[in-house]
Amino acid sequence: AQSVAQPEDQVNVAEGNPLTVKCTYSVSGNPYLFWYVQYPNRGLQFLLKYITGDNLVKGSYGFEAEFNKSQTSFHLKKPSALVSDSALYFCAVRDSIYNNDMRFGAGTRLTVKP
Amino acid sequence: EAQVTQNPRYLITVTGKKLTVTCSQNMNHEYMSWYRQDPGLGLRQIYYSMNVEVTDKGDVPEGYKVSRKEKRNFPLILESPSPNQTSLYFCASSLTGEVNEQFFGPGTRLTVL
Repeated sequence: AQSVAQPEDQVNVAEGNPLTVKCTYSVSGNPYLFWYVQYPNRGLQFLLKYITGDNLVKGSYGFEAEFNKSQTSFHLKKPSALVSDSALYFCAVRDSIYNNDMRFGAGTRLTVKP
Repeated sequence: EAQVTQNPRYLITVTGKKLTVTCSQNMNHEYMSWYRQDPGLGLRQIYYSMNVEVTDKGDVPEGYKVSRKEKRNFPLILESPSPNQTSLYFCASSLTGEVNEQFFGPGTRLTVL
């Protein structure tokens, strides 16, 4: 079955600096990869996804993610962090072979300090 | 407005008292799913449904039931709740189950005493 790992529980960055939130995955077929963000007391919101095509995917709020097949990674990035980016971020994966269920990582809490 | 709604948003109950958490979407989505969110564990899928009358188990189905009699509704049933089912529950839907992103409800915080 597919699985996803977010190796960092917490990431702290200063406002204006670039940020990276890491995600690695394991699938049997091809991966369908997603990033979601959760603000306090809210449901998850979709940020971006990789299905096929360009390895660099651009999404909402200036976020982007890079698909790396050889490293089985899909790290989330932003060139210049904002305090308002502080939230809980989840990576998720579906397997093209077993594509009915979605597996989420444990989440990474991003804190952007002024 | 396109949305996924859940009710109730907060619920405190006692062990063994049957309860239902409702979920409804107004986007004509085929795929619906239930997750529970626990600290340090992220979201774990309980059940999902590919379409009306088609449901299947996710990662942690024990102690839960679901039904999908109509496309828009996907209720989560706890026949005999136990304290280990205390959690934050999310319903989600997507156009189909494959490459489409999911839309999440606001969550239901359940406490079982």
